[in-house]
Amino acid sequence: KQEVTQIPAALSVPEGENLVLNCSFTDSAIYNLQWFRQDPGKGLTSLLLIQSSQREQTSGRLNASLDKSSGRSTLYIAASQPGDSATYLCAPRSNDYKLSFGAGTTVTVRA
Amino acid sequence: SAVISQKPSRDICQRGTSLTIQCQVDSQVTMMFWYRQQPGQSLTLIATANQGSEATYESGFVIDKFPISRPNLTFSTLTVSNMSPEDSSIYLCSVQGPGGTEAFFGQGTRLTVV
Repeated sequence: KQEVTQIPAALSVPEGENLVLNCSFTDSAIYNLQWFRQDPGKGLTSLLLIQSSQREQTSGRLNASLDKSSGRSTLYIAASQPGDSATYLCAPRSNDYKLSFGAGTTVTVRA
Repeated sequence: SAVISQKPSRDICQRGTSLTIQCQVDSQVTMMFWYRQQPGQSLTLIATANQGSEATYESGFVIDKFPISRPNLTFSTLTVSNMSPEDSSIYLCSVQGPGGTEAFFGQGTRLTVV
């Protein structure tokens, strides 16, 4: 069974700082890995999808890296803004298309 | 991307009753998934719903408690049966995007059982 760990559990930074969110997973036989954002009481918004053959994926201020062999992914958010405050979830997908989720990192960006 | 409409968005239900949650997708998808997110927890997969076959349930979830229908390639329902306060959670529908890669989620149904 895939186990996903996200560190830190919570993060509070002043506006403008760069954020680094870490994700580790136990089974490296993944199809891809997706990062999501979840606002309180809401559904999930897809941020980035990184394929198992990729090392990196970028979208705007977001950059995700993947080291499949060591079971790690990192999400970088540049120049954070108060609107970035949310919970960020890492979800590797197994070859049967099922997602496994970590507990998330709750980010607070202070104005 | 796929747009998912989930209904109801929230409900407060009496214990012992049942609630059916609907998930409508704006495009045809082969695989749909139902997740539960208990308060303060991350998402747990309940079952995979493929059109034309019985849903496949994950360990700890049974069909009598969470019956699922998948009548066509754009629609599914999840019923939470004989509810207890422990069923209070957010229930989310998810689909894979075109090409079977990116996953998309509905906005969730926040269920409170009193």
